[in-house]
Parts: sequence; structure tokens; C-alpha cells
Amino acid sequence: GAGVSQSPSNKVTEKGKDVELRCDPISGHTALYWYRQSLGQGLEFLIYFQGNSAPDKSGLPSDRFSAERTGGSVSTLTIQRTQQEDSAVYLCASSPGEYYGYTFGSGTRLTVV
Amino acid sequence: TQLLEQSPQFLSIQEGENLTVYCNSSSVFSSLQWYRQEPGEGPVLLVTVVTGGEVKKLKRLTFQFGDARKDSSLHITAAQPGDTGLYLCAGRRKTSYDKVIFGPGTSLSVIP
Repeated sequence: GAGVSQSPSNKVTEKGKDVELRCDPISGHTALYWYRQSLGQGLEFLIYFQGNSAPDKSGLPSDRFSAERTGGSVSTLTIQRTQQEDSAVYLCASSPGEYYGYTFGSGTRLTVV
Repeated sequence: TQLLEQSPQFLSIQEGENLTVYCNSSSVFSSLQWYRQEPGEGPVLLVTVVTGGEVKKLKRLTFQFGDARKDSSLHITAAQPGDTGLYLCAGRRKTSYDKVIFGPGTSLSVIP
């Protein structure tokens, strides 16, 4: 596609429920990144994919967070047993490779009530 | 502890004024990027600087990479309301891969 597409754009969920966030990167971009941004804050790194593998998962906050990427394209970030502190905007970015600038999606705003 | 510091954290100025925002670190970066983020959107890449001392201009925006590649500045001339947004610097460091680390951002508001 023309840009990085994220869905849903907004998600309200009850505490304890699982959520899945989707990222559709730019076609041909091998590198994909997930970040989290809390209100008024900078970007917190979560995970990096090169192709289908994840060389860097160091930013995942807990074992409730997981992510996968299939076919070197679409990625899904899953949060199990959501907590209120998980409320944030989750941003996905892709790039042609690790030495290039990032193209970000518009994010998914997650609210846990 | 932030690996990248940005100052000021918030800046509110009148249209037509000049401003400079700063990005500082004690670490050396192989390159540094500046992004602008508007409300409800993801950050958009403005520029990448690679060489120590490098200066790049993008219309009214001037970006400089420090000689030691530890710091950078963004200068805006004659600010306009369309410049309003969160300005993020991001430094690239070699770890097991070429990792990008974002600063906390400078929130700029340009008042008409």
C-alpha cells in the first residue's frame, strides 16, 4: 500500500480482556517496528522485526505482550489480560532496511477501562 | 535515564519568531533523525544527518549535527502555525543491529 496501515484506529477494552493490534507495512519493507506512546510522552520501543524474525524483543514490557509477523508483511501485536497501564497509542513503523528512516502508521489508541 | 535529552520540553511562540530546539546525549550516534508528529498521527521523518558538523536545510528549518555526533539542533526561522507539533530526535546506534532510540520530544505551539 501507499503507507503503513494500522487497525483498529481506536480500541476500548475491559480490563482483563485480550486485544490484537494489526499493522500492514509498506509493501517491500523488510523491517517493522512497534512503539508505544503514552499521553504527552516520547516513543517507547517494543519490538523489531526483520522479515519474519524478531532480532530485538527487549522492549516488550511483560510476558502479556507478544507479536508476530507472517509472510514478511502483516504484523500483529497481542496484549493478553490487559491492564489500565497498557492504555496508550501503539505505533507501527516500517522501513526498507535497518539503515533507513521510518514510515509510521497513524497508530491504534488503546483504552483499557 | 534518557539516552537522548531534548530541550525545551515545551515551547510556545508567536508566529514569525525564530526558535531553536536541542537534542543532546553523552553517546555517539552513527546518524541522527528528526521527526515531526501532529496530534492523532504518527511521526513523519524530516531529515537524517550523518556526518559530524553536517548542516541540512529544509525550507525554513535548519538541522545541525554536532561535530562529535552526540548532539543536534533544529532551528526554525519565521515560525508558522503549521510548524506546530511534537519534534522528536532519534539517534541510531550500532548494537546487534542498527538500533534507533527516540528522545522524549519538544512540543511546539506557534500562535497566529
